[in-house]
Amino acid sequence: AQTVTQSQPEMSVQEAETVTLSCTYDTSESNYYLFWYKQPPSRQMILVIRQEAYKQQNATENRFSVNFQKAAKSFSLKISDSQLGDTAMYFCALFSGNTPLVFGKGTRLSVIA
Amino acid sequence: SQTIHQWPATLVQPVGSPLSLECTVEGTSNPNLYWYRQAAGRGLQLLFYSVGIGQISSEVPQNLSASRPQDRQFILSSKKLLLSDSGFYLCAWSLAGPRYGYTFGSGTRLTVV
Repeated sequence: AQTVTQSQPEMSVQEAETVTLSCTYDTSESNYYLFWYKQPPSRQMILVIRQEAYKQQNATENRFSVNFQKAAKSFSLKISDSQLGDTAMYFCALFSGNTPLVFGKGTRLSVIA
Repeated sequence: SQTIHQWPATLVQPVGSPLSLECTVEGTSNPNLYWYRQAAGRGLQLLFYSVGIGQISSEVPQNLSASRPQDRQFILSSKKLLLSDSGFYLCAWSLAGPRYGYTFGSGTRLTVV
């Protein structure tokens, strides 16, 4: 069975600073995909970044980047130059096999002015 | 481009009343469709998913049911609501095998009173 674990229920960061959100996962599949979703107070789920397991290079999207450690089954999200609009719940998710995405329980991030 | 519509945005229903939430997708054919529920400040619970018309997989046995009467329409129903059915309901779609992740609707906030 696939699992996704986010061990930090809540985090906070000062505006303009950098923060890293942790995610570990488990799957027996060799080919899989990992995602980070953002859910701001509006509760709209937004795809932030996507990583294909067979790609060594870490994905980046503007201020968002990941640290993908395949052997350790770790997939952390780094947010640089944090902005107030980054305040949200962040979910890590895994797709492997032929099953729906498996989501972690989320990390609530607060950006403080 | 593809869009997903979910309605209503907010709903207050008495205990024992029926429920019908609707989700439609535009701009794609044969999408995978999903219903999730999210309690306040909590993670996502997969309720149902569908890979084709009339094909529904149930993840959680409960007071709810789902139907897919048309290719791009997904309906979540209940004959008699319970207090415990309150929550935030999200519809999502993906291509077959969600390697590109999900696109979510804007959600329905359901309060059962």
